[in-house]
Amino acid sequence: DAEITQSPRHKITETGRQVTLACHQTWNHNNMFWYRQDLGHGLRLIHYSYGVQDTNKGEVSDGYSVSRSNTEDLPLTLESAASSQTSVYFCASSEFTSGDEQFFGPGTRLTVL
Amino acid sequence: RKEVEQDPGPFNVPEGATVAFNCTYSNSASQSFFWYRQDCRKEPKLLMSVYSSGNEDGRFTAQLNRASQYISLLIRDSKLSDSATYLCVVVPYGQNFVFGPGTRLSVLP
Repeated sequence: DAEITQSPRHKITETGRQVTLACHQTWNHNNMFWYRQDLGHGLRLIHYSYGVQDTNKGEVSDGYSVSRSNTEDLPLTLESAASSQTSVYFCASSEFTSGDEQFFGPGTRLTVL
Repeated sequence: RKEVEQDPGPFNVPEGATVAFNCTYSNSASQSFFWYRQDCRKEPKLLMSVYSSGNEDGRFTAQLNRASQYISLLIRDSKLSDSATYLCVVVPYGQNFVFGPGTRLSVLP
């Protein structure tokens, strides 16, 4: 069965370190998204990609970057982790247009000390 | 004003009750609407899409009112397993998903 996976599921790091969160989908979807979820804010879009070599900034992109070298993967990098980036991160994918259903990965819980 | 707003909740209802959630949105050029369900510490999962004519899936009914810019979700005969947070999603034309903050439902025995 097609799926979307994230790794690691839990991560503790220190302020200033570079961290990369992995996202891998086997749906063969064109679109991939990264969100963060914090109490009181709901899900907020960090970065998204509509295809290979395409990346775009979302609502809360400062301090984050992504790259899309193939259809299946969209890794999220925190260049220099900050305590404000402690959050739960969800990756999602959808097939064609921005209005299509999105399928979510299980999430990564990141703590920055 | 936030782009998508939901009833703050939490809603605590007994088993078998009918409960309704509302969601309002500010962008009149919105084309797609969804309700997602999120269990504690899990990923959001699609509950149902919301169509202009309204749609029903078993005990769940979704309605869209474009003139007043709100969508609703009605759950009949609530089950313990319906306990979750319900997320309203609005998709403005040519843009990405905009999530509401969610409404938490607890169905009590």
